[in-house]
Amino acid sequence: DTEVTQTPKHLVMGMTNKKSLKCEQHMGHRAMYWYKQKAKKPPELMFVYSYEKLSINESVPSRFSPECPNSSLLNLHLHALQPEDSALYLCASSQSGTGPGELFFGEGSRLTVL
Amino acid sequence: AQSVTQPDIHITVSEGASLELRCNYSYGATPYLFWYVQSPGQGLQLLLKYFSGDTLVQGIKGFEAEFKRSQSSFNLRKPSVHWSDAAEYFCAVGGSYNTDKLIFGTGTRLQVFP
Repeated sequence: DTEVTQTPKHLVMGMTNKKSLKCEQHMGHRAMYWYKQKAKKPPELMFVYSYEKLSINESVPSRFSPECPNSSLLNLHLHALQPEDSALYLCASSQSGTGPGELFFGEGSRLTVL
Repeated sequence: AQSVTQPDIHITVSEGASLELRCNYSYGATPYLFWYVQSPGQGLQLLLKYFSGDTLVQGIKGFEAEFKRSQSSFNLRKPSVHWSDAAEYFCAVGGSYNTDKLIFGTGTRLQVFP
């Protein structure tokens, strides 16, 4: 069982909708990540929160808006997405945003944009 | 430039056969190396990691990997493959002071025949 929980597992939305992806971890980790993964490709880093502050934004379009309400929660707000944004969105956490560590991934949210 | 190369896009083996998945990296500092496995539609699970010390590391599910600094390689091995090992395997490298930006290889898809 994964210790990083993502909801919803599947999401279908139109290009004018506003939706959110949620991620939760209770391992006491202080860094949380959003990755985007297209089919047959490796994960691509989108955002990193370290100690609840945005530390990395990989030039992601503004239609993706991350939020870290507290150290256990991470949201990704979606608005006016394009069909090419359809992908598996993975949340991950690590003990710290610096120093050696491993990422713990959730099972992902499969997003389809119509 | 920092990079990870997985030369084999797709590997097919028979159940019970041995397995070696190749990974070569280019990294300017001391590398921290990881192997992740991803079943279809799922998140990534850490198989094993190398930070320092013994260059032969043991992981979960009977996998092991050997770090060879002279060859810039971190190949994954398993002596006897099970049908449940069919999945996508990603090698990744990070730095000793910042693993926020793990660099993933393009992945190797493993197919197992009975």
